Amino acid sequence: AQTVTQSQPEMSVQEAETVTLSCTYDTSENNYYLFWYKQPPSRQMILVIRQEAYKQQNATENRFSVNFQKAAKSFSLKISDSQLGDTAMYFCAFRDGNQFYFGTGTSLTVIP
Amino acid sequence: NAGVMQNPRHLVRRRGQEARLRCSPMKGHSHVYWYRQLPEEGLKFMVYLQKENIIDESGMPKERFSAEFPKEGPSILRIQQVVRGDSAAYFCASSPPRAVPYNEQFFGPGTRLTVL
Repeated sequence: AQTVTQSQPEMSVQEAETVTLSCTYDTSENNYYLFWYKQPPSRQMILVIRQEAYKQQNATENRFSVNFQKAAKSFSLKISDSQLGDTAMYFCAFRDGNQFYFGTGTSLTVIP
Repeated sequence: NAGVMQNPRHLVRRRGQEARLRCSPMKGHSHVYWYRQLPEEGLKFMVYLQKENIIDESGMPKERFSAEFPKEGPSILRIQQVVRGDSAAYFCASSPPRAVPYNEQFFGPGTRLTVL
């Protein structure tokens, strides 16, 4: 069975600093997709960044980047130059076939 | 191009009533997914549908829950005889045909169901 684990229920970071959110997953598949979604207080799920497992290069989207370690089944999200608008729940997700599997989330607070 | 639309955004039902949640996918998307998010938890997959077909309902409770995606109109998630434990946020997502890279899912704003 596929599982996604986010071991940090809550984190905080000073504005303009860098923070890393961890995510590990378990699968026997070789090719799959990984995603980070952001859920602000509005509860809308917003895609932050995505990665295909067969691509070794880490994905980057502006201030957001990932550290994808396939052998370790680790997919952490780094947020640089944190902004107040980054305050939200962050969910790591794994896609295999039809289904997405989500972690339990990390609540990130950016402190002014 | 409008995003995924869900209505209503908030729904209040008394125990024993029926709840109907609607989802209109993005234009050009033929795949619809329903997820449930309980308080303080992540999203849990419920069902995956294409037009007029249920592809995967492995996450759907066996009783009281049903879903459809008719040829015309929105996808409907139906919960009969609701109980307090059904209170949750229900998210719909849609995606284009599988040939598109990443097979990304685009989420709607969710429907928050409260059962009194």
